[in-house]
Amino acid sequence: NAGVTQTPKFQVLKTGQSMTLQCAQDMNHNSMYWYRQDPGMGLRLIYYSASEGTTDKGEVPNGYNVSRLNKREFSLRLESAAPSQTSVYFCASTTGFNQPQHFGDGTRLSIL
Amino acid sequence: QKEVEQNSGPLSVPEGAIASLNCTYSDRGSQSFFWYRQYSGKSPELIMFIYSNGDKEDGRFTAQLNKASQYVSLLIRDSQPSDSATYLCAVLSGGSYIPTFGRGTSLIVHP
Repeated sequence: NAGVTQTPKFQVLKTGQSMTLQCAQDMNHNSMYWYRQDPGMGLRLIYYSASEGTTDKGEVPNGYNVSRLNKREFSLRLESAAPSQTSVYFCASTTGFNQPQHFGDGTRLSIL
Repeated sequence: QKEVEQNSGPLSVPEGAIASLNCTYSDRGSQSFFWYRQYSGKSPELIMFIYSNGDKEDGRFTAQLNKASQYVSLLIRDSQPSDSATYLCAVLSGGSYIPTFGRGTSLIVHP
């Protein structure tokens, strides 16, 4: 049982490049989330998907797009990477209301 | 604006002592409360959740909830160096998908 799987684990990009972070969960969870975590800033929600077919903006959505491909997969895309997007990105999932989240191992992204 | 406050620490305790971590929240409609442990360079890991006023115990961990005073705490008994990590408090309002996270308290357990 893998839980929440994120790929890649590490990535270095140049400013202006694009890339997609992948997330898949095998727990049959309905809701999925993307966070970024920066030193001193805590976890900040980028986008979430309450259920398959829906996506909504979180606290810091600018510069990102998401796709809920199916119930298992939720991807995060950076169209034109900027140094300010250097961060650790976590994907999480949960069964629904009032339930705890389960996190993937994270993607460490550096943008030069 | 929903807020969850935690002392950033570090909280330093000797091995074998009780570590007490505290969290206050602003939304009186909060119904679900979670504690996550995050080791340096790793992802958050759920260690406790509590929904009702009072205490909930799981091994060396006890979560305490006081809704009237709007705080939730985590006690770690017989603290071990392996407990050294950042502890995140998260709060969910009733019927919500979106938890509010505190910024975490750094715990150091020294031998």
